Amino acid sequence: DTEVTQTPKHLVMGMTNKKSLKCEQHMGHRAMYWYKQKAKKPPELMFVYSYEKLSINESVPSRFSPECPNSSLLNLHLHALQPEDSALYLCASSQDFPGTSYEQYFGPGTRLTVT
Amino acid sequence: AQSVTQLDSHVSVSEGTPVLLRCNYSSSYSPSLFWYVQHPNKGLQLLLKYTSAATLVKGINGFEAEFKKSETSFHLTKPSAHMSDAAEYFCVVSTNDYKLSFGAGTTVTVRA
Repeated sequence: DTEVTQTPKHLVMGMTNKKSLKCEQHMGHRAMYWYKQKAKKPPELMFVYSYEKLSINESVPSRFSPECPNSSLLNLHLHALQPEDSALYLCASSQDFPGTSYEQYFGPGTRLTVT
Repeated sequence: AQSVTQLDSHVSVSEGTPVLLRCNYSSSYSPSLFWYVQHPNKGLQLLLKYTSAATLVKGINGFEAEFKKSETSFHLTKPSAHMSDAAEYFCVVSTNDYKLSFGAGTTVTVRA
């Protein structure tokens, strides 16, 4: 099973709201990722967790707060977002990190709209 | 630094004809290379990967890619396009800091 699941599929939130995106994998992978993808663009890396610890933060604004409660779960907490944060948010996992040969498996994404 | 160039932003083919998506890369190291496909409003699906084994890599759904070190290319092909192949395709290289570097993407349309 090479499935990464994400909830919710769609999310509309106001700029003063607090919401969370959830990601889950049951492949035994030790690395998990958050990406942001704008329309007609490739994904942009936001965060990398390896063995439940934050390994990479790509200078993401603090209104995005990741959390890795255990090796199967990854959350992205959202607060005081801006309209330009509207995008498809993708979660991915890989067997390990770092390692150039480890392919990443992506979830279906959460389509976020900030009003 | 590593980078990926997808030479065609858009490819249009007739159903049943071959598909060729071109990708060039630059890398200071022996690279790992991937092709991913993204259907509308979906996540990315891994088609195939190259990690310094056989230079001709077979993937899912009839796709294959050939790694040519002398040309720094990793082109993706499929002998016969199907309507379900209409999607966005990304060529990706794994960088020396272990992050994925994505090409800009190629949009494939398939004509009936």
